[in-house]
Amino acid sequence: DAKTTQPPSMDCAEGRAANLPCNHSTISGNEYVYWYRQIHSQGPQYIIHGLKNNETNEMASLIITEDRKSSTLILPHATLRDTAVYYCIVRGFNYGQNFVFGPGTRLSVLP
Amino acid sequence: GAVVSQHPSRVICKSGTSVKIECRSLDFQATTMFWYRQFPKQSLMLMATSNEGSKATYEQGVEKDKFLINHASLTLSTLTVTSAHPEDSSFYICSASGRKNLANEQFFGPGTRLTVL
Repeated sequence: DAKTTQPPSMDCAEGRAANLPCNHSTISGNEYVYWYRQIHSQGPQYIIHGLKNNETNEMASLIITEDRKSSTLILPHATLRDTAVYYCIVRGFNYGQNFVFGPGTRLSVLP
Repeated sequence: GAVVSQHPSRVICKSGTSVKIECRSLDFQATTMFWYRQFPKQSLMLMATSNEGSKATYEQGVEKDKFLINHASLTLSTLTVTSAHPEDSSFYICSASGRKNLANEQFFGPGTRLTVL
């Protein structure tokens, strides 16, 4: 699986959009970009995933660059409850394949 | 999303005892379950992968005789930490994957915090 690079930490004001970047310059054609987050002392929570098109769901939007070498997770209106570690993971779409977690980005939403 | 539960959520045991952690997929059939370990201020590290009805595959450096994994059904996997020692104290997280939908995301349990005295 391709390696990802994320900033170790970010701050965001409550109510503003949080934009979390991820670099995955070695991504291959059949690999997807997944985003998970982990709130302190809980299991990771699935947020969104995509292949090459931008995606949006009730939690977030995922913007993938045309060359697929980077992506941005957008939380449109961050709340205090969005404070967590956010993991960007690149993985092939094979059932039974595990996720490899990097250090992620620690997002702190400030009041 | 699908629901994965873990039991217990927290356990404290004496050194030398064995501890069993259960992981259940509540609303889908988990053909594959994964066990992760997370030390303070670190990321999740995969310990082993188990498919229903077959032996688990352990990651390099994880002792299979110490961390016994049983995946006897499509909804239950157990991790037994045998002869636990203080260095085994950690946050243990399971995840489940199955053919529930096309997203192929893994669904994670809430974790079990093990403290070995």
